[in-house]
This record gives sequence, C-alpha cells and structure tokens, in this order.
Amino acid sequence: DADVTQTPRNRITKTGKRIMLECSQTKGHDRMYWYRQDPGLGLRLIYYSFDVKDINKGEISDGYSVSRQAQAKFSLSLESAIPNQTALYFCATSDLRQGGANEQFFGPGTRLTVL
Amino acid sequence: QKEVEQNSGPLSVPEGAIASLNCTYSDRVSQSFFWYRQYSGKSPELIMSIYSNGDKEDGRFTAQLNKASQYVSLLIRDSQPSDSATYLCAVNLGTGGFKTIFGAGTRLFVKA
Repeated sequence: DADVTQTPRNRITKTGKRIMLECSQTKGHDRMYWYRQDPGLGLRLIYYSFDVKDINKGEISDGYSVSRQAQAKFSLSLESAIPNQTALYFCATSDLRQGGANEQFFGPGTRLTVL
Repeated sequence: QKEVEQNSGPLSVPEGAIASLNCTYSDRVSQSFFWYRQYSGKSPELIMSIYSNGDKEDGRFTAQLNKASQYVSLLIRDSQPSDSATYLCAVNLGTGGFKTIFGAGTRLFVKA
C-alpha cells in the first residue's frame, strides 16, 4: 500500500470552478506539503503544515487554500480555477523528528487541467 | 540568481559510463542537501541525502558536497538505461531546515 496517496489522480475542470485535491498519508509524519510542478520550473511550494494547527504559505500561495483536517490529511483547494493553474500537483510529507534533515516523501501526483 | 541551479540537460551517457550531475545553491547557511530521481509522469523519489562536506556513497551513487563552493553533485557509476530520468537537486535553506528549494532538474539519458 502506498504511504502517501492523492485523489484524484487526474482532473479536467473549467475556469471558475472550485476544485479540491486531497492527500492522505500513513507514514505518521507531522509535516505535510503541497507543491506544483511545471515544465522547466521544477517544484514550487504552495503551502506547508507542521501539525493540524499550523498552516504556512509557500512561495506561490495566491489562488490556493489548504485545510489540515487531521495529522494524516492535507487538502488543497483552488477557489476559482484559472488556466495557468494547469500543472502537476504533489503532496509530500516529512518527519518532524528529523529536524533539519527534512527528507520528503511524495505522493503519486494529481494532473490538473483547467480549460 | 536562482536559489538552486542545475543544467537542464539532457545529459546523454553510454551504458556502463559514469554520469555526473551538478548543482549549485545560493544560500551559504544551507545545511541539508538531497538528490531526487523522477521518472517521466511519476513522483520524485529520494535517492541520496548529504549533510557534511565530502563524499557519501550508496551503491552506484555518490553524492559530493563542497559548502565553500556551494556545490553539490551526484555521480552514477555503471549507468544503466533504467537510470534514465530527471534528477532533482534540493536544498534546505537556512538553519531551520524546513524550507526546501528544488532545482528544475537535469534530464539524464543512458544509451544502451
């Protein structure tokens, strides 16, 4: 069984629609992250959370919101999707006990297309 | 200047050769450095971590770190076609260790 799962794996939607991407993990990690990946730009951090009461913006949080429903669940929402949010989205986790090491483990990704 | 820079490639090497992948970073107080492998359409997979200057070997992989030059590299010995992938360099900025910046990746092709 996968340690980090994401749903849906693929989604096509229209401009202006609200979309939620979900992430669940069974690794027992405290830290969870949402990234987007675009060709030539690498992975860019959208939001991160160190526990259920801790939510932090990353470098590209505009147009996105998140919810940490439980230690194991971290959801990303696009309030009103626009075409330049078309990308591959990854959820990742890391173990707080590692401190500064912060080795991250990624989910399989969600390919989102906004028409 | 990008915080983490990699040559996008593609880097093409024959099977059995050594592949050398390079990465530079801008934050002098960075403490943790990582190499991830990403196959096309798949998620990044951690293959090496390095925290101290020098070399760290794991099987066919060797990570090299030079903090004075702000340079980290990955050597893949006896390259195999299955090593063909994009390799992402990642750096934890500052001393807090929670903000990781990824390079855009280097595409590697290993020719059979």
